Amino acid sequence: DAGVTQSPTHLIKTRGQHVTLRCSPISGHKSVSWYQQVLGQGPQFIFQYYEKEERGRGNFPDRFSARQFPNYSSELNVNALLLGDSALYLCASSFWQSEAGELFFGEGSRLTVL
Amino acid sequence: AQKITQTQPGMFVQEKEAVTLDCTYDTSDQSYGLFWYKQPSSGEMIFLIYQGSYDEQNATEGRYSLNFQKARKSANLVISASQLGDSAMYFCAMREGAGSARQLTFGSGTQLTVLP
Repeated sequence: DAGVTQSPTHLIKTRGQHVTLRCSPISGHKSVSWYQQVLGQGPQFIFQYYEKEERGRGNFPDRFSARQFPNYSSELNVNALLLGDSALYLCASSFWQSEAGELFFGEGSRLTVL
Repeated sequence: AQKITQTQPGMFVQEKEAVTLDCTYDTSDQSYGLFWYKQPSSGEMIFLIYQGSYDEQNATEGRYSLNFQKARKSANLVISASQLGDSAMYFCAMREGAGSARQLTFGSGTQLTVLP
């Protein structure tokens, strides 16, 4: 079975540009979350979507937005990129009915802002 | 205050020996969950083990066990019989509350190196 897939795996942007990151969850998982991991730190929660609705939002500026599609895939958009947005962006999916609610992560999209 | 604290930035262990990675947490919720994830250099976060706040038994998954001490608010990961492939970054994480939220708060991680 395919795990969580993310694209692109690596990308380089310049300040002020925008970026779109994509994620396909594990088959059967209807919840998708996005996390930002800056080098040397643990991941930080950005968004969670379930059944195409936003269910949670972390402490990130409005430059960050996301959406979930009918097939449960998701996009993360970041506008007006800053140098500090350079990070590994991780997507995770989960089976909503799971008591533990463990997240299954993709390998991430590594964004470098110059 | 930090919600998840991992005080060991780096740890070394000899192959085939056991190692304990420390994690303390801070929450006022009665219902919460504690997780450990492994992150190899590839970047993917790999789920290892879960402990619910109401679980009376310590969780175990193969060579991984979670030493849950609720009163001390600690959730240490024990890896038995370390293997070279265990070398990676390890993160402790917490989910607060019950219900629909699936947001995890992560610690800063511990870099484990297994020596041959």
